[in-house]
Amino acid sequence: DAGVTQSPTHLIKTRGQQVTLRCSPKSGHDTVSWYQQALGQGPQFIFQYYEEEERQRGNFPDRFSGHQFPNYSSELNVNALLLGDSALYLCASRQTGRGEQYFGPGTRLTVT
Amino acid sequence: DAKTTQPPSMDCAEGRAANLPCNHSTISGNEYVYWYRQIHSQGPQYIIHGLKNNETNEMASLIITEDRKSSTLILPHATLRDTAVYYCIVRGVYSGAGSYQLTFGKGTKLSVIP
Repeated sequence: DAGVTQSPTHLIKTRGQQVTLRCSPKSGHDTVSWYQQALGQGPQFIFQYYEEEERQRGNFPDRFSGHQFPNYSSELNVNALLLGDSALYLCASRQTGRGEQYFGPGTRLTVT
Repeated sequence: DAKTTQPPSMDCAEGRAANLPCNHSTISGNEYVYWYRQIHSQGPQYIIHGLKNNETNEMASLIITEDRKSSTLILPHATLRDTAVYYCIVRGVYSGAGSYQLTFGKGTKLSVIP
């Protein structure tokens, strides 16, 4: 049973560029959340998708957007990249009706 | 969600039990206690959760005090692979689609010593 998978593993972008990160949830899971983890900090919630809609959003600007597909996979898009967007981006999935979330290995984004 | 307080760091000898405390004195009656850990540069890993009864699974045991204001995560026989940051998170009962997030604090950095 595959767990949560994310791609790519690492990514280097330049300020002002746009980036798309991808996530496939654990089998049987239908809800996907995205988190940003800066170096030395705990993960911070960006947003959550369920039934292809954004259901809840953390304190992140509109430059951060997402999408969920009918197969429950998800994308995180970040526009107009800033140096401060450099972080580990984590995807987590869960099954409706259950509280525990399962995290992927993350995508390490470096903005230069 | 209720706020949690954890010691910033702890050491534990390999093979001994690791007892990680968490204070959540403002917890509400319908809020669960969740524990996750994060090994360096990996995604957080779900460990266990509970409401008011003690819980045990293949990874750990969770002891919640009777007044629910604190809890302890117990790793019965710590190994070097248990070295990680452990997060205690209090979260309300899931109630329908959407409306769910985990709020991570700074956690406890557990170092298992050979």
